[in-house]
Amino acid sequence: DGGITQSPKYLFRKEGQNVTLSCEQNLNHDAMYWYRQDPGQGLRLIYYSQIVNDFQKGDIAEGYSVSREKKESFPLTVTSAQKNPTAFYLCASSLQGSLIYEQYFGPGTRLTVT
Amino acid sequence: GQSLEQPSEVTAVEGAIVQINCTYQTSGFYGLSWYQQHDGGAPTFLSYNALDGLEETGRFSSFLSRSDSYGYLLLQELQMKDSASYFCAVEAAGNKLTFGGGTRVLVKP
Repeated sequence: DGGITQSPKYLFRKEGQNVTLSCEQNLNHDAMYWYRQDPGQGLRLIYYSQIVNDFQKGDIAEGYSVSREKKESFPLTVTSAQKNPTAFYLCASSLQGSLIYEQYFGPGTRLTVT
Repeated sequence: GQSLEQPSEVTAVEGAIVQINCTYQTSGFYGLSWYQQHDGGAPTFLSYNALDGLEETGRFSSFLSRSDSYGYLLLQELQMKDSASYFCAVEAAGNKLTFGGGTRVLVKP
């Protein structure tokens, strides 16, 4: 079964701690994305990667970092510099080229920082 | 940058028709996508329009007018399971999508 997995589903952290969210896909997609969603809001792009070992900042990259060492994996680190990290984080992937409009999403990780 | 506007909420009864409008401002426009998201779930892709006109997929249809920077998603024969949030998203230069704030559709019996 092809798809995107994110773990864990719920994550609780204390303020001041860095935390890494996992995202793995077995769809053989080239491009991967990280979005943040706040209650009742749309999706905002944090980082995206079109190819291994390359990634670009999205609209709200401050306080976050990513790596893309393998095609299947695109972990997101929420650092202590992120002022308001509590949110629902969604990872997505798509085929490259002309098909980026159709993105496949993982189930998300709900992060709570207190 | 890009900006998209869509209504925040729409309420309708089962069997009715709902139209969700989306207006956008962007440079380098390639197309408009629509996604559905149930509460607590992941967004799922519904449709995409790159050219003017109507695209039909079962009970859902999507329309685009590039000259008006406007599109809409039409939900027909509404069912209770259609209660969800619907997002329009613009594909523009930079190989990424920019999402609207979402429209919450509530279907009543």
